Formats: sequence, structure tokens, C-alpha cells
Amino acid sequence: GQNIDQPTEMTATEGAIVQINCTYQTSGFNGLFWYQQHAGEAPTFLSYNVLDGLEEKGRFSSFLSRSKGYSYLLLKELQMKDSASYLCAVKDSNYQLIWGAGTKLIIKP
Amino acid sequence: TAGITQAPTSQILAAGRSMTLRCTQDMRHNAMYWYRQDLGLGLRLIHYSNTAGTTGKGEVPDGYSVSRANTDDFPLTLASAVPSQTSVYFCASSVGPERETQYFGPGTRLLVL
Repeated sequence: GQNIDQPTEMTATEGAIVQINCTYQTSGFNGLFWYQQHAGEAPTFLSYNVLDGLEEKGRFSSFLSRSKGYSYLLLKELQMKDSASYLCAVKDSNYQLIWGAGTKLIIKP
Repeated sequence: TAGITQAPTSQILAAGRSMTLRCTQDMRHNAMYWYRQDLGLGLRLIHYSNTAGTTGKGEVPDGYSVSRANTDDFPLTLASAVPSQTSVYFCASSVGPERETQYFGPGTRLLVL
């Protein structure tokens, strides 16, 4: 079966750095996506990795290792507005997105 | 630009009744999708359409039907609602079905009693 695993919840302090991990087992791989979802809102796109390595976009970076079936999302200089759920999703061989259950990130002052 | 709109925002529906959730996009995207999101679970694909005139079944299609008469609209119909269809429903679209990013509508919160 296809599976995406990520921690259910994480807590971090304002101004700090947090790393959210995602491991996956899918039938085929056509890219990995990270989305942010605030409570009661729609998911919004954060990043896309299809090749191994680090993609940096402002305070957010995403890393991919295809051989290990592993990705992480790194958030720097945390702000209170970063409190949200972070969703990891992989496009399989049929180009369908397989979604993790999401990691709820709680930021404390 | 509006992007993707969904209607209604929320609905309470009696079991056994039918309902159509509406989704419209103005980005001229070819591919559109319907997902449901339940607490503790990842988004699950109900139906999808890679281009106008075609549709396909996702992971959880039973009890739902879709149509794609044109590029902009992708309605989702529940023929006879059951309580297990209580969920938040998201419509999404992408330029194409392959590696492109999916963009989401605001969602419809449905309660079936």
C-alpha cells in the first residue's frame, strides 16, 4: 500500500527553527509537495521537490532524498502566524497526490 | 482574480437527500479534483478530471458522482447522503494532471444527519 508518515503535532518557540519530517512509500514518484493549512482554511502551496537536495524559499526550505523516501520542511525565524498544519504529499506513478495526515505546528511565545 | 470558488460554504443535510457541491475556477486549468478531509486522515481523492469531458475515480468514489461539461465547472453530487459523508470537501485545480501544483478552493463543510 501507499503510505505517507509525518508527526501528528509539534511545538516550537517564536523565533526558533523547526524541522518537520515526512517519510513515504508510494508506487512511483513524480514529486513531493508541502502545503500549509491554517485551521478552517484551504491548503496553500509551499514547496515542490522532484530532485534530491534542498529548495530554499525565504524562511522556508524543503529537502528531498528519493533513495531514503524522506523529506523535511524547515521553518526558520518562526512567527506566530506559522501556527498551522503542514501537509506532505507525493505524486505517485499515476500522477495522483497521496497525502499525509498533516503535522499540527504550535508556536509558543 | 477569484481563483477557485466553492458553494455552499457549509450545509446541513438530512440523510437520504441529494445535494450538489459546486466548484468553479477561472484560471483555465485543465485538471480538477474533489477531495474530502476528515480529522486525523490525509486528504482523500474522490474524483478527478484531467480535461473537460473526462472524469476518473479516486480513492473514495462510492456515493459520489461528478461531471465536467466545460473547463471551468466541476460539480460533485451526493445522490443519497449518509452520515459517513459528513466531512469538509475541497475542490482543487492544476494546469495539468502531471507535476503541476494543485490549488484549492475554500472548502464546503457538510454535516449529514
